[in-house]
Amino acid sequence: DVKVTQSSRYLVKRTGEKVFLECVQDMDHENMFWYRQDPGLGLRLIYFSYDVKMKEKGDIPEGYSVSREKKERFSLILESASTNQTSMYLCASGPPSGDTQYFGPGTRLTVL
Amino acid sequence: AQKITQTQPGMFVQEKEAVTLDCTYDTSDPSYGLFWYKQPSSGEMIFLIYQGSYDQQNATEGRYSLNFQKARKSANLVIYASHLGVSAMYFCAMRDPTSNNAGNMLTFGGGTRLMVKP
Repeated sequence: DVKVTQSSRYLVKRTGEKVFLECVQDMDHENMFWYRQDPGLGLRLIYFSYDVKMKEKGDIPEGYSVSREKKERFSLILESASTNQTSMYLCASGPPSGDTQYFGPGTRLTVL
Repeated sequence: AQKITQTQPGMFVQEKEAVTLDCTYDTSDPSYGLFWYKQPSSGEMIFLIYQGSYDQQNATEGRYSLNFQKARKSANLVIYASHLGVSAMYFCAMRDPTSNNAGNMLTFGGGTRLMVKP
């Protein structure tokens, strides 16, 4: 079975802190994605990566950066967390065919 | 720009009955893919079913069936024989090959919360 893991299920940080959210997949997928989920807005794509060291902006990249140094790991970075970044963050991975994406369990981030 | 619309923010269904969750989409490209995901209260997104725009038959997977009506641009999810474990949020999503990442970006609808009544 495909497994996508995220470093934390729940995280509480203070405004201005630097935050790292880690995602690891074990299926050798080329594509990896970071979404945030907010009530009534569904899932919105923040960044994605289609290869090591390659990244592309999604719909809402402002305030975020990403890193993909190894194929299995895709990190989301909040350089200076703000309260409007309080959300559920979901990581996904998928094959180049694009016929599915497998999601991790999510990280619920609260910024105080 | 592509768009996915789920018009039912919440729905109830009686246990053992079938229910249809609506999804309409908008794209100018003839080649695309449609997905349904389930998100239980635990938060994980679970892939349910996939329909390619050129697939002739409606996709089915266990108790789930995708009612694909291409001319109407709808991709409704039918859930048969609902049980309490079916209660969850359901998201419709579309992959558009013309998007700027070799066609693997998904756009999601706002979701429908389905509640099964015993």
